[in-house]
Amino acid sequence: DAKTTQPNSMESNEEEPVHLPCNHSTISGTDYIHWYRQLPSQGPEYVIHGLTSNVNNRMASLAIAEDRKSSTLILHRATLRDAAVYYCILSPRGTYKYIFGTGTRLKVLA
Amino acid sequence: GAVVSQHPSRVICKSGTSVKIECRSLDFQATTMFWYRQFPKQSLMLMATSNEGSKATYEQGVEKDKFLINHASLTLSTLTVTSAHPEDSSFYICSASSSGQGTQPQHFGDGTRLSIL
Repeated sequence: DAKTTQPNSMESNEEEPVHLPCNHSTISGTDYIHWYRQLPSQGPEYVIHGLTSNVNNRMASLAIAEDRKSSTLILHRATLRDAAVYYCILSPRGTYKYIFGTGTRLKVLA
Repeated sequence: GAVVSQHPSRVICKSGTSVKIECRSLDFQATTMFWYRQFPKQSLMLMATSNEGSKATYEQGVEKDKFLINHASLTLSTLTVTSAHPEDSSFYICSASSSGQGTQPQHFGDGTRLSIL
């Protein structure tokens, strides 16, 4: 299973953009890139996913490197409610399994 | 849309008890459902994958006789922890997907915190 690597923790100031990186150098051509976030004592919440092209939705943007070996989740204006553990996950097409890494704990400073 | 409901949210019971956890997809049909467990300050660990009408596929190291999974319909999967012991205390989380090909995201329930005394 392809593995992802993320920084253990990051800090951001409120109302500033946040760029959360993820390395996935062993990604295969059909792996989807998913991002989730998890608040304490809750299940993970879907944020965004993509395959090759950059993606935008109301929550965030996903920038995928041209070689697909890395991606960046962009929160355009961080709020206190964005403080969570963010997981970058590869989902192999056809097997649909998620293998969670350790994620990045995002702290948002008021 | 894409709501997954998990029940109960918290269970406290005595050692030796069997506990059933339900996972329902409320507004979509779930081709595949997944069960995870999460220990404090750790990441989620996939336990098993279930497809409607067929036997679950368990991850290596997960006892299938200990963790019974039933996926009787496209909207309901259950996890039964049989003869639970204190070491089974954990946060159990289910997820559901309308796609069996990994092209659509999984949607997660809010988890069940199981405490065995």
